[in-house]
Parts: sequence; structure tokens; C-alpha cells
Amino acid sequence: EVQLVESGGGFVQPGGSLRLSCAASAFTFSNFEMTWVRQAPGKGLEWVSYISSSGTTTYYTDSVKGRFTISRDNAKNSLYLQMNDLRAEDTALYYCGKQSGSQIDNWGQGTLVTVSS
Amino acid sequence: SYELTQPLSVSVALGQTARITCGGNNIGSKNVHWYQQKPGQAPVLVIYRDSNRPSGIPERLSGSNSGNTATLTITRAQAGDEADYYCQVWDSRSVVFGGGTMLTVL
Repeated sequence: EVQLVESGGGFVQPGGSLRLSCAASAFTFSNFEMTWVRQAPGKGLEWVSYISSSGTTTYYTDSVKGRFTISRDNAKNSLYLQMNDLRAEDTALYYCGKQSGSQIDNWGQGTLVTVSS
Repeated sequence: SYELTQPLSVSVALGQTARITCGGNNIGSKNVHWYQQKPGQAPVLVIYRDSNRPSGIPERLSGSNSGNTATLTITRAQAGDEADYYCQVWDSRSVVFGGGTMLTVL
């Protein structure tokens, strides 16, 4: 059974940084595109970033461009999201997702990021 | 940027049919996916590429897509279908979600 386990969330002050990780198992990680999606408390789903299977292509939603960096280590079956210059509006539950085509067919349980002074 | 419009809420009587719409400009030309999210849980893919069900998703859930509207249909609605539902497409190097629809089973 596909498993995606996020970690690295926590409480951080505005302007701070966090690095999220997503450990993947039970599928050939290097064959699949991956994505990060976040959900602010009580709000809907918001796509954050995408990375191709090889890691050579990345995309970001406008509000995080220049602040967040997505990456992956296929040898370690791991996905990452480096988040810098965090803002209150980045507060959310962050999910990693496995893409199969343009759909997200598996989701982790999420890691909570809280940005507050 | 591409936008997807969903009703905030839909109500359905137990055992009846619910339809949740997802509007977008010429959405019929795109692949639409649907997710179900229950409180405190991660989203689950329930329909992909307009009308396909992943394994384990009951046949009561179906999807269609034409023109400017995609529709998720839930027949014989059950209490366990109460959840938020999100549509999603891929557009211009980004994943786009609709705002979500809360389904209430009365």
C-alpha cells in the first residue's frame, strides 16, 4: 500500500524558515511526479508546488515563488519543501501527494505549519 | 489564471441523488478529477479523468464533463457520503482546485 508520511512542520515566527519532508514507500518513487498541497484552517485545498519525476521541472503557485523550493531525492524516496520568509498566510496543513497523470492519487496525512509572532 | 467554481453547499435526502457541479471556461476540454475529504482526514481521489473510479470507490459515485460544467453525481446517498468535495484540473503548469462543496445528507 502506498504510504506518504510528512514531517517537519511546526511553529515558526514570521520571516522564519522550515523544511518539510515527505517519505514515500510501496511504489517506485522515481517514476512519479509529486506535489505539495496546503489547507489553511477551515479553508479549501490550495496547490503549492509540483516537481517532475526526475526533479528537473518545478512549478509553484504565485504566492510562494521566490520563497519556497521543492526538491526530491529519488535515492532516498523523499520529497522536500524548503520554506523561507514565512508569513502568517502560510499557516496551513501541508500535504504531499503522488501524481499519476494530472490527478493526485495518493495523499499523506499532512504536517501542520503555524506562522505566528 | 484558470478558475473553478463550485457551490458552497449541497444537501441531499438520504437515499436520493446529489449532484455537485464544477464550472470552468471550456472545462469539457480538460481532465477533471474529484476528491472527497471528511473532517480530520486527508483528501481521497474518488473520480479521475472526468468519469473513472479508482479501485474501492463505489459505483454510486460517477462523473461527467461537458462544455463549461463538470458534475459529480452521488446516487443513493448515504450518511457516510457527508464530506467536502473538490474538483481539480491541470492548467498552465499548475494544479487548480475548486473552492470545495460541503455535502450534507439529510
